[in-house]
Amino acid sequence: IAGITQAPTSQILAAGRRMTLRCTQDMRHNAMYWYRQDLGLGLRLIHYSNTAGTTGKGEVPDGYSVSRANTDDFPLTLASAVPSQTSVYFCASSDGAGSTDTQYFGPGTRLTVL
Amino acid sequence: GQNIDQPTEMTATEGAIVQINCTYQTSGFNGLFWYQQHAGEAPTFLSYNVLDGLEEKGRFSSFLSRSKGYSYLLLKELQMKDSASYLCAVRDGDYKLSFGAGTTVTVRA
Repeated sequence: IAGITQAPTSQILAAGRRMTLRCTQDMRHNAMYWYRQDLGLGLRLIHYSNTAGTTGKGEVPDGYSVSRANTDDFPLTLASAVPSQTSVYFCASSDGAGSTDTQYFGPGTRLTVL
Repeated sequence: GQNIDQPTEMTATEGAIVQINCTYQTSGFNGLFWYQQHAGEAPTFLSYNVLDGLEEKGRFSSFLSRSKGYSYLLLKELQMKDSASYLCAVRDGDYKLSFGAGTTVTVRA
């Protein structure tokens, strides 16, 4: 069982280009999340999805979009990348049920926008 | 907004005990999590508290006081592999996680 996979592992991107970060989980978790992690700021929620077919905005959604066509996949798209989107991006998933509802994280994508 | 504070860095000696404090002010409260994150890797779940008191898991323990908006993570019998960042995260009234900036623990021989 792989858990959560993310692709690519790292990417250097020119400003203005479109980029999609991929996230796939095989745990049949209902909820999925995208975070960015910047030095000194910790993890910040970009978008989330409580179940397939629904999405919601997190703390820092501007410049990003997501879709949740099925349970397993939750891609994050940067329509026109800007240097301030240079960050490490983590996808996470959780069962979405029960009191604990622990989030499990993918290995991350390191994105540099020049 | 959410406000979660934890120290930036701590250093301790192998075999010692270290306590990482976390204070929070959030809109609602539905549990507090601690995650461990080694450099260049993903955060991994360590502990969860929703009721006041101490939860013990081997060498790691986590404490919560909801009335004080306070938690700590206690690492006992420190090992070199415990050198990592430790993230405090609070689940708010909307069931969303807000993270502190993390505490980098360095274990020295």
